Amino acid sequence: AQSVAQPEDQVNVAEGNPLTVKCTYSVSGNPYLFWYVQYPNRGLQFLLKYITGDNLVKGSYGFEAEFNKSQTSFHLKKPSALVSDSALYFCAVRDMNSNYQLIWGAGTKLIIKP
Amino acid sequence: KAGVTQTPRYLIKTRGQQVTLSCSPISGHRSVSWYQQTPGQGLQFLFEYFSETQRNKGNFPGRFSGRQFSNSRSEMNVSTLELGDSALYLCASSLDVAVLNTEAFFGQGTRLTVV
Repeated sequence: AQSVAQPEDQVNVAEGNPLTVKCTYSVSGNPYLFWYVQYPNRGLQFLLKYITGDNLVKGSYGFEAEFNKSQTSFHLKKPSALVSDSALYFCAVRDMNSNYQLIWGAGTKLIIKP
Repeated sequence: KAGVTQTPRYLIKTRGQQVTLSCSPISGHRSVSWYQQTPGQGLQFLFEYFSETQRNKGNFPGRFSGRQFSNSRSEMNVSTLELGDSALYLCASSLDVAVLNTEAFFGQGTRLTVV
C-alpha cells in the first residue's frame, strides 16, 4: 500500500539553526512528492515538489528538500530557521493506485524558539 | 489570479442539522478535492470532483456528499450533523490530479462547529 510517514509529531529548533522535517514514503513506481505548510487557522500552502531530476529541490521561503531514493525519504530542510517558520508541515505523495489522489503524512509541528 | 475561495469561513450548527459548504477553485482548474482536518485524525480525504463527476471518494459515511457545477465550483453537504463532524473542511483545486506533477492549491477552509 502507498503511504507517507512523518515520524516526528513535533520538532523544536532554535532560531538561526538549521532545521530538518522528516518524511519517508512507500509507493510503487516513481514517486511524486510534495511539501505543504499550514499556519494556524489557514489552509495549506504549497512549498515544493519532487517530480524527477535533481535530488535537491528548492522551494518557497528558503526551504529545500532532499530526495533519497535508496532511503525512500524526502526530508524538508532550511539552513537557518526563522521564528516565522513555526507552523504545521505536511508531506504528501501521489497515489497511483487511487486515481492519483494525494496521500498525506500526519503532519509535523515545527516550533522555532527565539 | 484569484486563489481558492471557501465560504463561509466559520459556521456553527446544531446536531441533526445539515450544512452546505462552498468552494470556488482557481480559474481554469477543473479538479476540486475536499478534506476534513481534525487534530486527532489529520487530513482525511472526502472526495474529488473533475468536470462535474465524482472521480474518487474517501471512507466517509453517506451523510457526506458533494457536487460540482459546470463552472467547476463545488459544494459539499453534510446531513444529520454529529458532534464529531466538527472540523476544518478544506477544499483544494488543481488543473487535474491526473497531471501528476501539478500541485494542489488550498482554500483557507471552513471551520465547522457542531454543538
